[in-house]
Amino acid sequence: DQQVKQNSPSLSVQEGRISILNCDYTNSMFDYFLWYKKYPAEGPTFLISISSIKDKNEDGRFTVFLNKSAKHLSLHIVPSQPGDSAVYFCAALGGSNYKLTFGKGTLLTVNP
Amino acid sequence: NAGVTQTPKFQVLKTGQSMTLQCAQDMNHNSMYWYRQDPGMGLRLIYYSASEGTTDKGEVPNGYNVSRLNKREFSLRLESAAPSQTSVYFCASSGQINTEAFFGQGTRLTVV
Repeated sequence: DQQVKQNSPSLSVQEGRISILNCDYTNSMFDYFLWYKKYPAEGPTFLISISSIKDKNEDGRFTVFLNKSAKHLSLHIVPSQPGDSAVYFCAALGGSNYKLTFGKGTLLTVNP
Repeated sequence: NAGVTQTPKFQVLKTGQSMTLQCAQDMNHNSMYWYRQDPGMGLRLIYYSASEGTTDKGEVPNGYNVSRLNKREFSLRLESAAPSQTSVYFCASSGQINTEAFFGQGTRLTVV
């Protein structure tokens, strides 16, 4: 039973447009959510996070939205750049538990 | 500015052989993790250590053992390698609860 779900394996957008990556979760105990970016042959790198007490967090071109009632979060990248092409992982923490649980990832391709 | 260091970067084992993957962090983090990444499966937690002296099973612990040698080091051991353990292994560490984890560069393991 997958607790963090990224239902889109891939997404392709044009440079300059908005990229929207989605993530759903099933565990009500999750109260902290993170997005990671991963390039081939490298380790994942932290991108942005959001606590469950917020519904939005913004950092430059990256914004994460959280809808607790729907158990859904999304990552918006605007404007998208070719260097954003990578696999994006959604992850969750919760219940004073140190187990960071990841989704399967979404491959984002930004076309010039 | 090393962060999380994993060794080795690549390894080929024969079925039945044993080996230990090493991980060290220099950020004085309390928590450390071992993940494996397989195509279409995302990052799956093998074992984690919330603090020095404690270890807990993650999602896919079978066939692995871990040792939290001290606050800096967290090793992953394969006692009798199987082809199903062919994967890319990532070590990570995090500080306080509900903070991001930092990842190493990964170890690509092939079991033939």
